[in-house]
Amino acid sequence: AQSVAQPEDQVNVAEGNPLTVKCTYSVSGNPYLFWYVQYPNRGLQFLLKYITGDNLVKGSYGFEAEFNKSQTSFHLKKPSALVSDSALYFCAVRSEAGTALIFGKGTTLSVSS
Amino acid sequence: NAGVMQNPRHLVRRRGQEARLRCSPMKGHSHVYWYRQLPEEGLKFMVYLQKENIIDESGMPKERFSAEFPKEGPSILRIQQVVRGDSAAYFCASSPQSNEQFFGPGTRLTVL
Repeated sequence: AQSVAQPEDQVNVAEGNPLTVKCTYSVSGNPYLFWYVQYPNRGLQFLLKYITGDNLVKGSYGFEAEFNKSQTSFHLKKPSALVSDSALYFCAVRSEAGTALIFGKGTTLSVSS
Repeated sequence: NAGVMQNPRHLVRRRGQEARLRCSPMKGHSHVYWYRQLPEEGLKFMVYLQKENIIDESGMPKERFSAEFPKEGPSILRIQQVVRGDSAAYFCASSPQSNEQFFGPGTRLTVL
C-alpha cells in the first residue's frame, strides 16, 4: 500500500537558520513526489516535485528537496528560513501508474524572529 | 489565468440536508480530483474525474456521496443527508493530464 510519513508534527527554527522538513514514502514502482504548503484557511500551493532526473529539486520561494531512493525519503529544505515561511507543509506521493495523491499528515513549520 | 475555483467557500448545513460543492478547474484542465481534509489530518483522496467520466472513486464513501463532471459546467461533489462527521474542508484539484495537481481554496463544510 502507498503511504507517506511526516514524522514531525511541528518544526521550530529561528529566522535565518536552515530548515528541514522530513518525509518518507512507500510506493510500488517509481515514485512521483510532491511538496505543498498550506496557509491558514487557504488551499494548497504547489512548491516542487520530483518525477525523474536530478535528485536535488529546486522549487518556489527558495525551497528545495532531495530525493533519496535508498532511504525512500524526500526531505524539504531551505538554507535560510523566513518568518513568512511559517505554514503547514504536506508531502505527497503517487505511483507512476496511479492518479490520486497520497498525502502525509502535514508538518507545521514555525519560524521565529 | 484564473486558478481552480471552488464555491461556496463556506457552507453550513443542518443534519439531514444536502450539500453541493462546486469546482471549476483551471482553463485547459480536463482532470479533476476531490480530496477531504478532516481536522488535524492530511488530505484524503475521494474521487478522480475526467469530463463526463468517473475514473477512480476508490476514496468515496459508499453511501450519500456522489460526484460528477459534466461536459459543460463545474464539477459537483454532492453529499446527501449530511451528518456531523461530514464536517471538513473539501478541496478540488485539477491537472492538464495525470501529473501535477493544482488546488482550489477549498470549501469548508460545517454540519450543525
